[in-house]
Amino acid sequence: ELKVEQNPLFLSMQEGKNYTIYCNYSTTSDRLYWYRQDPGKSLESLFVLLSNGAVKQEGRLMASLDTKARLSTLHITAAVHDLSATYFCAVVLNSGGYQKVTFGTGTKLQVIP
Amino acid sequence: DSGVTQTPKHLITATGQRVTLRCSPRSGDLSVYWYQQSLDQGLQFLIQYYNGEERAKGNILERFSAQQFPDLHSELNLSSLELGDSALYFCASSPAPGQGAWDEQFFGPGTRLTVL
Repeated sequence: ELKVEQNPLFLSMQEGKNYTIYCNYSTTSDRLYWYRQDPGKSLESLFVLLSNGAVKQEGRLMASLDTKARLSTLHITAAVHDLSATYFCAVVLNSGGYQKVTFGTGTKLQVIP
Repeated sequence: DSGVTQTPKHLITATGQRVTLRCSPRSGDLSVYWYQQSLDQGLQFLIQYYNGEERAKGNILERFSAQQFPDLHSELNLSSLELGDSALYFCASSPAPGQGAWDEQFFGPGTRLTVL
């Protein structure tokens, strides 16, 4: 069974600081997604990482994937208040011609002015 | 706005009842996914349909069922409802294979189900 762990679960950081959210998963997979969820809202797709070594950047967020280490990181550069949200990683596992998606526990990010 | 629509937005019902949640995918998307998000279980994948056929199953209870119709909208049926079924239910859709980043999923606004 695929397990996906995120850490930290909660992150409070000051504006202007840098930090990294980690997503570890237990079974070989080469597709990973990052999503953002604002309170009471739906999920918004941030990044789709499709291969080992993939790196994608959008604004102050950069995501990378290391399939050998079964690790993805979401790096936040010079955080701003608007980045406050819960961030989820999700990993796809192919099994018997089907694919299953498992979400991490989420990291609640609070950026303090 | 992702282009995925879900109805109703809110649903309040009693234990033992049956409800139907509806989802319309983005135009052109053939895959529909259903998710349940609750405080104690987190975000869980329930089931996926692709062009009318079941493609993948996650942690979906036997009391729950889904289908995708020829016009590609999907319905999630929840029966014999229990208090623990209270949650936010999301639908997502994704492009057909071959249309770019076909894995990327676009989420609807969700249906909040409260079972009393």
